[in-house]
Amino acid sequence: QLQLQESGPGLVKPSETLSLTCSVSGGSVSNSLYYWGWIRQPPGMGPEWIGSIYNTKSTYYSPSLKSRVTIFADTSENQFSLKLNSVTAADTAMYFCVLDSRSFSAFDIWGQGTMVTVSS
Amino acid sequence: QSVLTQPPSMSAAPGQKVTISCSGSSSNIGTNYVSWYRQLPGTAPKLLIFDNNKRPSGIPDRFSASKSGPSATLDITGLQTGDEADYYCATWDSSLTAEIFGGGTRLTVL
Repeated sequence: QLQLQESGPGLVKPSETLSLTCSVSGGSVSNSLYYWGWIRQPPGMGPEWIGSIYNTKSTYYSPSLKSRVTIFADTSENQFSLKLNSVTAADTAMYFCVLDSRSFSAFDIWGQGTMVTVSS
Repeated sequence: QSVLTQPPSMSAAPGQKVTISCSGSSSNIGTNYVSWYRQLPGTAPKLLIFDNNKRPSGIPDRFSASKSGPSATLDITGLQTGDEADYYCATWDSSLTAEIFGGGTRLTVL
């Protein structure tokens, strides 16, 4: 059964870069049918889609975050990563890595999430 | 404020049926597939419905959904206390070019 696991720092300073990695088990990040993504959820609020990657290199991002976001895959490690630049307190959230296994359909697999706080 | 509008809260008794609405527009629900998620406290959202009305394997048929024009609904029958959770609708918005989520509905089963 495919599983996702997020990892990365739980505390990031304002103006710095948030970096998270999602390790994939039970499946391959190289699978051309799979869309991998990142979603965040600020405390007490609804989920917000950040962006997705498919075919290991094709990406699309939320327009509201596009200028600060990079998502990339590492096929040798079977993982994909998120980088969010110039963070502020508004970026404090639970960050989830997700899988859409039906190609631009819905997010059917979620990681457990990792809380990231932006604070000095 | 979310582009997709859901009632913030709803409540119903065990065994009853509840219908959660999700209102959007022609650029999102009106032209794209809708999915629904359930989020129990302290856990990640879980997919309940994809492609408007399809259930992933393992999701009981107590959960059903439909779409009409720019709106969608999720029906839950035979409510159980374990159904107490936040429910979110989601879809692609062709104008925003982004996946969007509703503000969520907190369901209380009393």
